[in-house]
Amino acid sequence: TQLLEQSPQFLSIQEGENLTVYCNSSSVFSSLQWYRQEPGEGPVLLVTVVTGGEVKKLKRLTFQFGDARKDSSLHITAAQPGDTGLYLCAGDPRGGSEKLVFGKGTKLTVNP
Amino acid sequence: GAGVSQSPSNKVTEKGKDVELRCDPISGHTALYWYRQSLGQGLEFLIYFQGNSAPDKSGLPSDRFSAERTGGSVSTLTIQRTQQEDSAVYLCASSFRGSSAFFGQGTRLTVV
Repeated sequence: TQLLEQSPQFLSIQEGENLTVYCNSSSVFSSLQWYRQEPGEGPVLLVTVVTGGEVKKLKRLTFQFGDARKDSSLHITAAQPGDTGLYLCAGDPRGGSEKLVFGKGTKLTVNP
Repeated sequence: GAGVSQSPSNKVTEKGKDVELRCDPISGHTALYWYRQSLGQGLEFLIYFQGNSAPDKSGLPSDRFSAERTGGSVSTLTIQRTQQEDSAVYLCASSFRGSSAFFGQGTRLTVV
């Protein structure tokens, strides 16, 4: 069974700080996705990374897929209170033939 | 509709009663997932449907839980003889094969 480990589990920072969240596995994934979930809502897709070494930027968020396609990171620059939420990574093991594997999530709180 | 729709959005039930939760996935999506989420926690996988394949029921916590997907579209999650520990938000997601998952808003179940 493929697993995705996310770290840290909880993160509380001040507005303006930078942070990095990690998603690691011993298994290879054909693609990896990041979601953000705000209280009372379902998770919303932020980005999908497909190619090993790929870097994608979404405003202040930078996503990287490891060269070996086993891990990923999410870096937030100058965090804002609106970034508060649960960040989930999910991996697609075999290009659509198996179910997505979700990590347990990182709960981020950005204090004003 | 354009997104995943779940109903009801909230459900309060008495211990021992049966409940049915409904999920309308995005049209054309072949994969459908059910997850359970306790307050502030990550996603707990329950069941996965993919096309006409046998569902992956490996996450169902007990035989009180069952789910079906009719005609490859709408899905119903049934919890029999509800217990207080069943109280949680139940999230449904759909995707085209293993690609990015789109989540509904969830059903908040409270067993009293």
